[in-house]
This record gives sequence, C-alpha cells and structure tokens, in this order.
Amino acid sequence: DAKTTQPPSMDCAEGRAANLPCNHSTISGNEYVYWYRQIHSQGPQYIIHGLKNNETNEMASLIITEDRKSSTLILPHATLRDTAVYYCIVRVAFGGSNYKLTFGKGTLLTVNP
Amino acid sequence: GAVVSQHPSWVICKSGTSVKIECRSLDFQATTMFWYRQFPKQSLMLMATSNEGSKATYEQGVEKDKFLINHASLTLSTLTVTSAHPEDSSFYICSASPPDSPLHFGNGTRLTVT
Repeated sequence: DAKTTQPPSMDCAEGRAANLPCNHSTISGNEYVYWYRQIHSQGPQYIIHGLKNNETNEMASLIITEDRKSSTLILPHATLRDTAVYYCIVRVAFGGSNYKLTFGKGTLLTVNP
Repeated sequence: GAVVSQHPSWVICKSGTSVKIECRSLDFQATTMFWYRQFPKQSLMLMATSNEGSKATYEQGVEKDKFLINHASLTLSTLTVTSAHPEDSSFYICSASPPDSPLHFGNGTRLTVT
C-alpha cells in the first residue's frame, strides 16, 4: 500500500474550516484515499473516501489533486468535538480478507475555543 | 449505518489470568474481522485477521498462542489474551466491514493487567 505523510499536529479555531493535508505521492491508480479519525479512547471513525473526484458528505469534504499525489480533508466548521487524531490511509478498494487498513501516525487536530 | 460492538469496554485482570474480548457486527454479517492493538500515544497496529470458520492470520511478531482468536459465527469474533502480563495492557480494537463498504471499528477495550 502507498505510504502517506501527514503533519503531526495542527490547530484550528472553533467555527473555522480545518484543512488537513496528506501526501501520497506513490499512490497507484486503483488505490483510494480514506480518512478516519480517532477521538481519545475511542475506536477510529470513518469519515470519507475517494478515488480521484472530490467528495463531500455530512461530515467533511475531500479534495484530491489532479495528479492524485496529495489530498486535503476539509471540516467546514470545526467544533471542539472535532478534536481528534486524523488518519489518511491509501488502500485498494474494500472487500475480502485482504481489506485491512494500515495506520500511520496521523495528525492531531486541536480545535480551540 | 454499520455498527461494530465490543465488550467489555474495559477490563482489569491479574497477571497470569486470561481475558476474553468480544467483537460483534450488529447489523451485518462479517466473514472477516480485524483485531488491532494500540499502546498509549501510538498508532493502531494490526494484530490479526479473523476468518469465520477458519484459522486466524496473525501479523509478524504477534504470538498466536497468546492471542487466541475464534470466529465461530458471521457476527462474532473473540480475542482471548492468555496468561496476561502487565506488558499486555493496551487498547484492543476490532473492525469489520459490510460488503462494499468502508471498514468500521468498535469502540475498543481497555485492558489493564495488574
């Protein structure tokens, strides 16, 4: 699976947009970009995923560059409850016993009041 | 949405005893479940892949005789930490996914071995 690089930590003011970057320069054509987050002492929570088009759901937006070598997760209006470690993971499409996710160190996003 | 449930959420046991952790998929069937372990201030590390009706596949460095995995039904996988020691104290998390859906995680089990 392609490796990802994320900044170790970021800060964001409550109510502002949080933009979390991820580099995945070795991504293959059939690999998706997944984002999960882990709030302290809980299991990871799925946020969003995409292949090459930008995606949006009720939680966040995912912007993938045209060359697919990097992406940005956007939380449009961050709240204190969004404080968590955010993981960017690159993986082939889900399904089967080989569908396991490898977690890096992620980005600790701290939303400040 | 898909729900993965773990039980217990926390457990304290004495050194040398065994502890069983359950992972259930509540609204879907899962032929495969994954067990992770997370030490404080570290990322999640995959321990093993649990396969319904067959033996689990363990990651390199994980002792299969110490971490017994049973996946007896399509909605239940169990992880038993045998002869637990203080260094086994950790946060254990299971995950599973419905067909053609992202992986979902349980809320984890905090194990403390005294």
